Amino acid sequence: GDSVTQTEGPVTVSESESLIINCTYSATSIAYPNLFWYVRYPGEGLQLLLKVITAGQKGSSRGFEATYNKETTSFHLQKASVQESDSAVYYCALGDNNNAPRFGAGTKLSVKP
Amino acid sequence: DPKIIQKPKYLVAVTGSEKILICEQYLGHNAMYWYRQSAKKPLEFMFSYSYQKLMDNQTASSRFQPQSSKKNHLDLQITALKPDDSATYFCASSGQSGAETLYFGSGTRLTVL
Repeated sequence: GDSVTQTEGPVTVSESESLIINCTYSATSIAYPNLFWYVRYPGEGLQLLLKVITAGQKGSSRGFEATYNKETTSFHLQKASVQESDSAVYYCALGDNNNAPRFGAGTKLSVKP
Repeated sequence: DPKIIQKPKYLVAVTGSEKILICEQYLGHNAMYWYRQSAKKPLEFMFSYSYQKLMDNQTASSRFQPQSSKKNHLDLQITALKPDDSATYFCASSGQSGAETLYFGSGTRLTVL
């Protein structure tokens, strides 16, 4: 079945440093699934951060970016300069019309002021 | 106002008992899902429904039974509870399929003693 592997947390970075959270996927039911990053901020529910449905395209939101790379089957999440408010748990996921989304294990990010 | 309501927020049960977790969504969505997250474990897909029909089932145990009495309801009945069932259970919905963004409820935290 479909699966997602992402950077094992926790990850701690200092404010204004750059960040990359790796995500690779394995899609067995469809060649090009839709790819997602979800985020859970402290005390809040899981919500969409960004989504890309076309291979080769980049999605961005709140200063985060992720590019859908079908060659390496990756969808890494990057931010050039993190803020303390970015502290959260980040989940990479893939989904398609025929299957419910599958999620990675989640990466807990702590940003030190 | 929350668009996906899960009840109760916390639930304590004894081994061998039966509980029902409630989920209602007011987003007008046609697809609904159940996920489970145990301590230090990934967000695990359990069931998906579309137009009140079971689409996908990744839960091996028949002790877990989803129930859809209305289009915007997807409850989860768990029988013969075990301590290993202790987890936070999340309900989610999307417009039509797993290719779309999922919207999550805040979860029901179940503890089985």
